[in-house]
Amino acid sequence: DTAVSQTPKYLVTQMGNDKSIKCEQNLGHDTMYWYKQDSKKFLKIMFSYNNKELIINETVPNRFSPKSPDKAHLNLHINSLELGDSAVYFCASSQEGTGRLSGNTIYFGEGSWLTVV
Amino acid sequence: DQQVKQNSPSLSVQEGRISILNCDYTNSMFDYFLWYKKYPAEGPTFLISISSIKDKNEDGRFTVFLNKSAKHLSLHIVPSQPGDSAVYFCAASATGTASKLTFGTGTRLQVTL
Repeated sequence: DTAVSQTPKYLVTQMGNDKSIKCEQNLGHDTMYWYKQDSKKFLKIMFSYNNKELIINETVPNRFSPKSPDKAHLNLHINSLELGDSAVYFCASSQEGTGRLSGNTIYFGEGSWLTVV
Repeated sequence: DQQVKQNSPSLSVQEGRISILNCDYTNSMFDYFLWYKKYPAEGPTFLISISSIKDKNEDGRFTVFLNKSAKHLSLHIVPSQPGDSAVYFCAASATGTASKLTFGTGTRLQVTL
């Protein structure tokens, strides 16, 4: 069973379109994330939600809007897509928002490859 | 500003030998470090972590060493196996930042026969 699943895995779309990437986790975690890996391979956090509440928003354009209907889902909606949005978007989850020293780790989905043409 | 750096984009090691992957960081507030492994077309998977209160953590063939004064950590894989061929990401976080991980750009390890 896939722990963190995201769809679609591949998405090619034209500039100006609006698209969504869905994410679901079945680990019972209360924190979910969106990370972006750009063409230079930097993997950077975009958003973090804890129990449906936004706790991290890393200077991401307003065109990106995460939505968490419940703590098992965190969807990413992108308006007016631009060429620079082409990247791999990874959804992730963890048990606690700050549970690092207890050894909790962040589990990633397989990624969604977005290409804007 | 790249706070976590992996200066070697790639590394090739023979099967059975030791693989050493390096990572440097600049933010002295980082107090928890992780290594993730990533295969093509898959998401990163957690490998091993270390808290700043330790200087070494071992898990089977994987050992992570932390040198706080040098702001340097390394991942040792002994013995290396072909299945270890992947991209390895170093990541770090600081207390009070709600699990915000800062990643390096990764090192591609190729274990040859």
